Amino acid sequence: KNQVEQSPQSLIILEGKNCTLQCNYTVSPFSNLRWYKQDTGRGPVSLTIMTFSENTKSNGRYTATLDADTKQSSLHITASQLSDSASYICVVSALYNNNDMRFGAGTRLTVKP
Amino acid sequence: KAGVTQTPRYLIKTRGQQVTLSCSPISGHRSVSWYQQTPGQGLQFLFEYFSETQRNKGNFPGRFSGRQFSNSRSEMNVSTLELGDSALYLCASSLESLPGQGEYEQYFGPGTRLTVT
Repeated sequence: KNQVEQSPQSLIILEGKNCTLQCNYTVSPFSNLRWYKQDTGRGPVSLTIMTFSENTKSNGRYTATLDADTKQSSLHITASQLSDSASYICVVSALYNNNDMRFGAGTRLTVKP
Repeated sequence: KAGVTQTPRYLIKTRGQQVTLSCSPISGHRSVSWYQQTPGQGLQFLFEYFSETQRNKGNFPGRFSGRQFSNSRSEMNVSTLELGDSALYLCASSLESLPGQGEYEQYFGPGTRLTVT
């Protein structure tokens, strides 16, 4: 079973609408949680990095939240744009294992005009 | 500052052949990590090199190997290719080792799309 589960698997929204993507993890102890955006045919690009002590972090229209107690994170996208169409990948790192980064399967977001 | 570059971008090989992929990290970055991405398995960590030494290794067979040169450029080699090796191979560079720890940013290249027929 994957230690990082993302939902939904795919999502279609209209331009200008908001949306929230979910990431649940079982990785423990936890070092940090990252959200990446990956456009089709390109490498992932980092959106946010949150450590254990942080519970929210913003990057423009992207806001990530983290609840370390329930082991849940969300990525909220405000006022979506066509360019937001991409896969969003949640990555959780374990505290002690060297470079033990566990990747979620991603949420495929499509923003339609 | 130039980003992470990977060559070639696309590659078609037949079963049993071997392949070498190349990655040039961002100038000044000493850590290079390699990942395999497939529709079924998502992103999976292959290995990380830091200052010419393999620091970490994922759960892949010995057919997958790599090395890093003194200028931090890295190569990944896959021998005796199998159909299941068809994937997007991504490399990522980071200033320091253990990019999963702390808040070190990891920058990905565009990937090499390998098709094995």
